[in-house]
Amino acid sequence: NAGVMQNPRHLVRRRGQEARLRCSPMKGHSHVYWYRQLPEEGLKFMVYLQKENIIDESGMPKERFSAEFPKEGPSILRIQQVVRGDSAAYFCASSPPSPGVGNTIYFGEGSWLTVV
Amino acid sequence: KQEVTQIPAALSVPEGENLVLNCSFTDSAIYNLQWFRQDPGKGLTSLLLIQSSQREQTSGRLNASLDKSSGRSTLYIAASQPGDSATYLCAVNSGGSNYKLTFGKGTLLTVNP
Repeated sequence: NAGVMQNPRHLVRRRGQEARLRCSPMKGHSHVYWYRQLPEEGLKFMVYLQKENIIDESGMPKERFSAEFPKEGPSILRIQQVVRGDSAAYFCASSPPSPGVGNTIYFGEGSWLTVV
Repeated sequence: KQEVTQIPAALSVPEGENLVLNCSFTDSAIYNLQWFRQDPGKGLTSLLLIQSSQREQTSGRLNASLDKSSGRSTLYIAASQPGDSATYLCAVNSGGSNYKLTFGKGTLLTVNP
């Protein structure tokens, strides 16, 4: 049973370009979460999505960042006009359709974005 | 606003030693606390999850305790092995959901053979 799959694992972008990070949840999971880990910082929640719906985007930067989870295909975190400060590890996590407070969420191996 | 602090930031021990990693949080109104392991360039693996009503959880050589009133948790690793070398992250769920976790910056553990 494959885990949470993220790609690309490593991405290099020049300032001003766009970055697209993809996440396929575990089989049977319909909830996806994105976290960001900046250098020397702890992971921080960005956004929670269900199929075709954004449930909680309270951690998303107000500009340049967007996320979607279409009916078909992976969830995508999109960063427009990247800047050096966007360099970070972006982790996706997923959970089953009825996540309980006592249940964990399952993390992927992350996508490392480097902006040069 | 919940803040999670992990001490020490890094720890190096000889193989076989028992060790304790510390985690503190500022808001004691939590639902649960979780310890994760992160290997370099890898994702997070959940080690132990303690509900707010529990005092401790055990899995193999790992034991995690929770003192909600004082805002502290410890992760005890018995008979450490080189394979235990990794970053250990503490995460608190204080939002009533299972997804909005507040993470500490982690403790980098090195177990020397």
